[in-house]
Amino acid sequence: GDSVTQMEGPVTLSEEAFLTINCTYTATGYPSLFWYVQYPGEGLQLLLKATKADDKGSNKGFEATYRKETTSFHLEKGSVQVSDSAVYFCALSDRGDDKIIFGKGTRLHILP
Amino acid sequence: DSGVTQTPKHLITATGQRVTLRCSPRSGDLSVYWYQQSLDQGLQFLIQYYNGEERAKGNILERFSAQQFPDLHSELNLSSLELGDSALYFCASSVPTGEDTEAFFGQGTRLTVV
Repeated sequence: GDSVTQMEGPVTLSEEAFLTINCTYTATGYPSLFWYVQYPGEGLQLLLKATKADDKGSNKGFEATYRKETTSFHLEKGSVQVSDSAVYFCALSDRGDDKIIFGKGTRLHILP
Repeated sequence: DSGVTQTPKHLITATGQRVTLRCSPRSGDLSVYWYQQSLDQGLQFLIQYYNGEERAKGNILERFSAQQFPDLHSELNLSSLELGDSALYFCASSVPTGEDTEAFFGQGTRLTVV
């Protein structure tokens, strides 16, 4: 079945550092890919998405590119802030099947 | 505010008991998803309903059941509770757009089984 694998955390970085959180997926169809973020005490919220190969999703300085050849959707940010501390989830949704599958989440700590 | 409402926010109950978690989706959303989030298992998909019908099933235990009512709100019933059922339970709703399915999450119900 469909699955999402993302790097284990926690990831701890200093403010203004470069961030990469790896995500790879397995899908039988042609999925859409998402990154969700969960701030402390809150539910998940969509951060960015990409619906086809080579699409780049971006929001709040975060970016991820849909790479079909490597089945990956890595999350990047050039300069992280303390306010980016949260749990980040990679997810996929296979067209024709509305089910959304999430990775286990990566906790990110940014130190001032 | 995502527009998805979950009640109650917190629930403490004893082993062997039964509880009902409630979810009101965003206005107009037909799909409701239930997820369980625990520290060791991450975010696990439990079940999805679409316009009152069960659409997809994930890692949902037989002790758990759900339904979606005609007004589209949903309930997740957990019975014969065990300590290991302690977790955050999230509901999400969506309207499939044809290209992708963006889900909007409630703030969750934290269940503690003692």
